Amino acid sequence: DIQMSQSPSSLSASVGDRVTITCRASQSINSFLNWFQQKPGKAPNLLIYAASSLQSGVPSRFSGSGSGTDFALTISSLQPEDFATYYCQQSYSTPITFGQGTRLEIK
Amino acid sequence: EVQLVESGGGLVQPGGSLRLSCAASGFTFSSYWMNWVRQAPGKGLVWVSRIKGDGSITDYADSVKGRLTISRDNAKNTLYLQMNSLRADDTAVYYCVRDLGHCTNGVCDAWGQGTTVTVSS
Repeated sequence: DIQMSQSPSSLSASVGDRVTITCRASQSINSFLNWFQQKPGKAPNLLIYAASSLQSGVPSRFSGSGSGTDFALTISSLQPEDFATYYCQQSYSTPITFGQGTRLEIK
Repeated sequence: EVQLVESGGGLVQPGGSLRLSCAASGFTFSSYWMNWVRQAPGKGLVWVSRIKGDGSITDYADSVKGRLTISRDNAKNTLYLQMNSLRADDTAVYYCVRDLGHCTNGVCDAWGQGTTVTVSS
């Protein structure tokens, strides 16, 4: 099974900050990496697919990068609505696996 | 409008059974892989199972193999998860997900609102 490891597990930041969350796969997954945002009590929302493609309607302050085993999600200027939990997920092979999540909190 | 509406969750005793359903509308159901993803209270997302559009291929997480069975009825636009030999660690919100993590021609994945399964005596 492919293990996905996110860092940090939690992060405190302020509105306007630039933040980066990283995700590492235990083996190469090419670009089969997706990023989700989840707010409390809600279903997750796909932000980035195929490592760097922004889903339609997602603000351009979100961006994804990486390939192989190392990936990153960057939010260029945090907005109040961005405080949530973020998950990476590999779709390279089954079993499909998620990272453990990164909780982004307001400083 | 794409809609996925899960039902069938509830309280069940350890060792018991439950069948979850997911009613789909607003898209050609038979054209898409469908998934179940679960989330235990306060924990992260865990993929459970998936099934191809025509039902010919199914995959499972190791933790549920032999106990949970995914199926679909394309005539009824409905996805199912038969859950047998339930354990306390199956307690979670179960989400029905179309085409998890994929976007094709601007059409991306879709999630239901989730249904809660609680396994407890």
